[in-house]
Amino acid sequence: ETGVTQTPRHLVMGMTNKKSLKCEQHLGHNAMYWYKQSAKKPLELMFVYNFKEQTENNSVPSRFSPECPNSSHLFLHLHTLQPEDSALYLCASSPEGGVGETQYFGPGTRLLVL
Amino acid sequence: GENVEQHPSTLSVQEGDSAVIKCTYSDSASNYFPWYKQELGKGPQLIIDIRSNVGEKKDQRIAVTLNKTAKHFSLHITETQPEDSAVYFCAAIITGTASKLTFGTGTRLQVTL
Repeated sequence: ETGVTQTPRHLVMGMTNKKSLKCEQHLGHNAMYWYKQSAKKPLELMFVYNFKEQTENNSVPSRFSPECPNSSHLFLHLHTLQPEDSALYLCASSPEGGVGETQYFGPGTRLLVL
Repeated sequence: GENVEQHPSTLSVQEGDSAVIKCTYSDSASNYFPWYKQELGKGPQLIIDIRSNVGEKKDQRIAVTLNKTAKHFSLHITETQPEDSAVYFCAAIITGTASKLTFGTGTRLQVTL
């Protein structure tokens, strides 16, 4: 195991629901990331947090709202999603968010929007 | 921005044979190239990486080569085993930003008995 956990592992939600994804890393890292993985597409970086501060927002729609209360926890709040948002959402962490650092991924949350 | 292309999208080899996956990148400033393996139901796991100051790196049955001039890098797996079956992703990093990896589209490797 990589030390990065994600809950829930599977989530089905309607377009009017509000839900949250949770990520926790037990590696003592200071940078955390959200990625979206869709079929037949490259992994898409969504957000980056360094030392709890958001340093990257890769033009993500506002219906996705990240929260990083501390260096070990990262949330992704979801509201009024669209069916095309169905995907595997991966969380990752790295020691300090520097260039060339290895990123460690969690198992992902598979999201289905009906 | 960086663009990474990966080929083939699927690859089937017999156990014991070698497998080669190729990637090209567009940004000549990229200087770090990791490879990830993703098994069913799991997140990607780093298996090997290479930096732009070397041309080849090997770790047991896996190796990666880098050609900076041509802007391509490859993953080589020798003596393949069924447990090598997975999706493999290459990536390149855009320098100057905080670890913004650009990934290829993945190669599904199937090792048959």
